[in-house]
Amino acid sequence: GENVEQHPSTLSVQEGDSAVIKCTYSDSASNYFPWYKQELGKRPQLIIDIRSNVGEKKDQRIAVTLNKTAKHFSLHITETQPEDSAVYFCAAVHSLEYGNKLVFGAGTILRVKS
Amino acid sequence: DTGVSQNPRHKITKRGQNVTFRCDPISEHNRLYWYRQTLGQGPEFLTYFQNEAQLEKSRLLSDRFSAERPKGSFSTLEIQRTEQGDSAMYLCASSFRERYEQYFGPGTRLTVT
Repeated sequence: GENVEQHPSTLSVQEGDSAVIKCTYSDSASNYFPWYKQELGKRPQLIIDIRSNVGEKKDQRIAVTLNKTAKHFSLHITETQPEDSAVYFCAAVHSLEYGNKLVFGAGTILRVKS
Repeated sequence: DTGVSQNPRHKITKRGQNVTFRCDPISEHNRLYWYRQTLGQGPEFLTYFQNEAQLEKSRLLSDRFSAERPKGSFSTLEIQRTEQGDSAMYLCASSFRERYEQYFGPGTRLTVT
């Protein structure tokens, strides 16, 4: 089955700097890659996603890039703000598996220092 | 609030007791998922419903776990004879038809003492 690895496990940046979180996946048939943000005690919130037919997607200060050949995808946050501090999870979906179940990475704790 | 809701938000129970959690998906979302999240880990898939049919179960879902979605709307997850290893956050998510996007509820945090 699919396996998703995420790194780093923790990331500290200064306010205004950029943050990059990277994930690799094992199954070349995976074709949907969402990113979730989870603040302490709150639900995982879908912040951006990318399909396998697209190499990059941007939404204001966040962007995701996908390299299908290398089987990795990354989340980029620019001009970080204290409210970006949270745990970020990447995930992959294997389209041929019934139900579109998500396989998650272990998460990255992002701390933005003001 | 039109998002996914879950009840209760917290449950403390003694080992050996049975517990039941409820999930109400976003209206018109026909797919409903249960995940389990332990501290420091990403959510892990447990089971999935399309309408009222339970179509897939993870190996993580032992025979002590059972889930239902009787009318294709809300779902319940029951754990019988709870063990300390069942302590976790139980998350529910829903999606619309075959769309990939899944939206999560706030979760039920289970503590087994």
